[in-house]
Amino acid sequence: AQSVAQPEDQVNVAEGNPLTVKCTYSVSGNPYLFWYVQYPNRGLQFLLKYITGDNLVKGSYGFEAEFNKSQTSFHLKKPSALVSDSALYFCAVRDGIRPNAGNMLTFGGGTRLMVKP
Amino acid sequence: GAGVSQTPSNKVTEKGKYVELRCDPISGHTALYWYRQSLGQGPEFLIYFQGTGAADDSGLPNDRFFAVRPEGSVSTLKIQRTERGDSAVYLCASSGDPGPPTGELFFGEGSRLTVL
Repeated sequence: AQSVAQPEDQVNVAEGNPLTVKCTYSVSGNPYLFWYVQYPNRGLQFLLKYITGDNLVKGSYGFEAEFNKSQTSFHLKKPSALVSDSALYFCAVRDGIRPNAGNMLTFGGGTRLMVKP
Repeated sequence: GAGVSQTPSNKVTEKGKYVELRCDPISGHTALYWYRQSLGQGPEFLIYFQGTGAADDSGLPNDRFFAVRPEGSVSTLKIQRTERGDSAVYLCASSGDPGPPTGELFFGEGSRLTVL
């Protein structure tokens, strides 16, 4: 069975500082990894994904994530945080082996990012 | 429509009642997913449709939960004999990738169910 762990319930960072939101995963075969963001009173929005290729992937709103196979991690990063980045962030994984899994994702518990001015 | 639409946005019901939650996916999207998000937790997979058929319903917690998508577009999640533990936000998502999955799901804003 696949699983995702987000060890921090909340991350606090000052505006303009770099941010990191941590994610580790467990999955059979090669992982498909994703980050989603949930703003207050809004639906979940896709941020970025890793399927294959470069370990550093870039996504929306200046976010990027680094895939590390040896550490089974996929941490979300941004060089300079904005107050408007404050939201709930979810890491997710899809099994790379099952042929008919579609986009069935397993989500982590979420990390609340608070960016203070 | 422009996005995934879910109705009702809020539903309060009494224990033991029957509830239906509706999802209208993005036009043309062939795949539709139901997730459940309890307070303070991440979304939990319930069921996935490809067209009209349920491709995987392994996440449905028990036989009180059922979902249909008769015409391959709108889907209804049905919960019988509701229990207080069913209280959660029920999320619907759709995707249109007929080829290799991209993982990019388009979510609705959810239906918040409260069972008293």
